[in-house]
Amino acid sequence: DAKTTQPTSMDCAEGRAANLPCNHSTISGNEYVYWYRQIHSQGPQYIIHGLKNNETNEMASLIITEDRKSSTLILPHATLRDTAVYYCIVGSTGGTSYGKLTFGQGTILTVHP
Amino acid sequence: IAGITQAPTSQILAAGRRMTLRCTQDMRHNAMYWYRQDLGLGLRLIHYSNTAGTTGKGEVPDGYSVSRANTDDFPLTLASAVPSQTSVYFCASKMSKENYGYTFGSGTRLTVV
Repeated sequence: DAKTTQPTSMDCAEGRAANLPCNHSTISGNEYVYWYRQIHSQGPQYIIHGLKNNETNEMASLIITEDRKSSTLILPHATLRDTAVYYCIVGSTGGTSYGKLTFGQGTILTVHP
Repeated sequence: IAGITQAPTSQILAAGRRMTLRCTQDMRHNAMYWYRQDLGLGLRLIHYSNTAGTTGKGEVPDGYSVSRANTDDFPLTLASAVPSQTSVYFCASKMSKENYGYTFGSGTRLTVV
């Protein structure tokens, strides 16, 4: 699986958009970009994923650059409950890395009043 | 409620004892995974199973074994626990041929003394 690079921590004001960047310059053609978050002491929670097109769901938007070497997770209106560790992961459902995702250190997002 | 159930929630175990962490899902997901999470090391894959009857080794398999007798259950066994296996253990599942997100359990906090 490709490696990812994320900032260690970020801050965001409540009600503002939180933009979390991720670099994955070694991503291969069949690998997806996944985002998860983990709120203290809980299991990781799936947020969104994409291959090359931008994606949006009820939780967030995912912007993937045209060369697929980086992406940004956008929480449009951050709330205090969005404070968590956010993981950017790249992976594939095929081949020898069949379904296995490698979690890095993630970004600690702190939303403050 | 569909999801993953892990048991026990927490456990203190004497070194050298045998312990099985239980994981059950009711979503008919093909693939299941065991991760351990340690401070500063993120989530690391221990073992995985792409379908009932098959298992594979992850990043840190030593000291652990798994079985997958049916679709729903994926127990993780520590044959002879050591203090370095003190960790939080998460079970996860997904449909193996879809690029959907993983569903994680709420975790088992294991302390080996």
